[in-house]
Amino acid sequence: GNSVTQMEGPVTLSEEAFLTINCTYTATGYPSLFWYVQYPGEGLQLLLKATKADDKGSNKGFEATYRKETTSFHLEKGSVQVSDSAVYFCALSDQAAGNKLTFGGGTRVLVKP
Amino acid sequence: DGGITQSPKYLFRKEGQNVTLSCEQNLNHDAMYWYRQDPGQGLRLIYYSQIVNDFQKGDIAEGYSVSREKKESFPLTVTSAQKNPTAFYLCASSTPTGTGNTIYFGEGSWLTVV
Repeated sequence: GNSVTQMEGPVTLSEEAFLTINCTYTATGYPSLFWYVQYPGEGLQLLLKATKADDKGSNKGFEATYRKETTSFHLEKGSVQVSDSAVYFCALSDQAAGNKLTFGGGTRVLVKP
Repeated sequence: DGGITQSPKYLFRKEGQNVTLSCEQNLNHDAMYWYRQDPGQGLRLIYYSQIVNDFQKGDIAEGYSVSREKKESFPLTVTSAQKNPTAFYLCASSTPTGTGNTIYFGEGSWLTVV
């Protein structure tokens, strides 16, 4: 079956530091890959996505590149802000599995001023 | 504004009671989903529906039931058979066809058993 593995948190950073959250996946088909962000007490918001190999998704200074050869979709941001403190979820959607989202366990990020 | 509305935001249930969580979307999406999130953990799929009057079990359907009588609505009932129902419940919707379809989430409902 499909699965997503992401680095465990919490990740604690200082403002303006570089952020990387690792994400790897296992899928039977050709999945689309997503990063969602969840702020405290709220639902999930789509941060970025990539639908095929070598695609780069980007939004709000965050980037992730779909690497089929390493089955990875690592999230990066060059200079984080306190407002980036949240839980980040990597996910995949596989058309062969009815387009249901399979989530990683989430990584909590805390940015300190 | 288009979106997904979940209600209530907070719900308390006594043991042995059934409760129903509402989910309404005005995005004209065909597919709808229910996920459960436990504190500090990821999301697990309870039920999903690709089309009106049809739905399938997800990974943790036991103790839950759903209906899909209208395209806009996908209510979730947490029955007394669910042994550990205290959790954060998230409803989502998407267009089911094609690759890269984006799933959009509601704001969630907190259910606490007292």
